[in-house]
Amino acid sequence: AQSVSQHNHHVILSEAASLELGCNYSYGGTVNLFWYVQYPGQHLQLLLKYFSGDPLVKGIKGFEAEFIKSKFSFNLRKPSVQWSDTAEYFCAVDDYKLSFGAGTTVTVRA
Amino acid sequence: NAGVTQTPKFQVLKTGQSMTLQCAQDMNHNSMYWYRQDPGMGLRLIYYSASEGTTDKGEVPNGYNVSRLNKREFSLRLESAAPSQTSVYFCASSEWEGASEAFFGQGTRLTVV
Repeated sequence: AQSVSQHNHHVILSEAASLELGCNYSYGGTVNLFWYVQYPGQHLQLLLKYFSGDPLVKGIKGFEAEFIKSKFSFNLRKPSVQWSDTAEYFCAVDDYKLSFGAGTTVTVRA
Repeated sequence: NAGVTQTPKFQVLKTGQSMTLQCAQDMNHNSMYWYRQDPGMGLRLIYYSASEGTTDKGEVPNGYNVSRLNKREFSLRLESAAPSQTSVYFCASSEWEGASEAFFGQGTRLTVV
């Protein structure tokens, strides 16, 4: 099964700052890639997904992610965060079993 | 529009007790999953069922059993609970394994004392 690494455990930002969260997976081949978000007290929700095609994918709430095949990476970005983006973010890779990274807690200060 | 429904939402068990976590989905999905979420460790797959009638071990299956009762329902059983099984458990489903988005239930917060 894939091993998924998320580079940051906890990120603290001010509103309007830019956000980038790193994600790497362990080996190549055909994989499907996801970013999920978990708001406090809620279940996981899909932010965006990549199956094939344009490596720059756009998701909900202004998030986007870039797939770089040569680096086995799928990094999440948002140009300007809001207080409501405070949540835990999970990268996931699916090669017939959905494997998650450890998660990154993002705290946005007003 | 229920999606994935888990019961119970909260549970406290004594060491050695048994219990079953229930999960049902109404999206006609083929694949279902059980995960546990622990601080700093993300979600780890306990068991999954690629389709009705099949179950397979995930990353952390020890101490758990599962039953895919029918296409809708996938239960997780702890036969003899241990404090190490204190966690938040999530059930998820997807249209099929390997190529589709997973939908998650609200979670069950289990404490074993």
